[in-house]
Amino acid sequence: AQSVAQPEDQVNVAEGNPLTVKCTYSVSGNPYLFWYVQYPNRGLQFLLKYITGDNLVKGSYGFEAEFNKSQTSFHLKKPSALVSDSALYFCAVRALTGANNLFFGTGTRLTVIP
Amino acid sequence: DGGITQSPKYLFRKEGQNVTLSCEQNLNHDAMYWYRQDPGQGLRLIYYSQIVNDFQKGDIAEGYSVSREKKESFPLTVTSAQKNPTAFYLCASSPGDRGTDTQYFGPGTRLTVL
Repeated sequence: AQSVAQPEDQVNVAEGNPLTVKCTYSVSGNPYLFWYVQYPNRGLQFLLKYITGDNLVKGSYGFEAEFNKSQTSFHLKKPSALVSDSALYFCAVRALTGANNLFFGTGTRLTVIP
Repeated sequence: DGGITQSPKYLFRKEGQNVTLSCEQNLNHDAMYWYRQDPGQGLRLIYYSQIVNDFQKGDIAEGYSVSREKKESFPLTVTSAQKNPTAFYLCASSPGDRGTDTQYFGPGTRLTVL
């Protein structure tokens, strides 16, 4: 069975500080991993994905994520947070084989404090 | 949100009524999806379609129905059999149904049962 865990419902960080939003996953075989961001009353916007290759993936708006197979993690990071980064962030996983569903975590609300 | 439109943005339904949510995409994507979002639960898959005139049930299909008569359109009907339909509904599409394909989301429809 596939699953995603986002252990923190809420993350607060000061503007200009580095931010990390955590994600761990469980999947049979190799995973495909995705990060999305959602602003209030809007749809999800794609940030980045890991398919294969370099464990550090760079995405939109200065975000990056590091795939760690041994820890089954895919944490989202940004070196310097902006107030405009405040939003709801979702991690999602898809298995290499089997159903092509995306399994989403429950989301982490990021608040960047001016 | 670009390329995927959902209407209406807000929808109010009386108990016992069926309502249909519209989803249109101009991205020439083969695959389309419907998700339901509830607070604290992430996104759950209702139905998906890999190609015109074909669709499959997701994790929570009971009380919902879909059709895929055209490549660009994937309407969702919330029937009176859905016991708790108040939620935020998100439509998505992807180029195909491969695991590497990114899903892109529409802006969503918020359905409230009165």
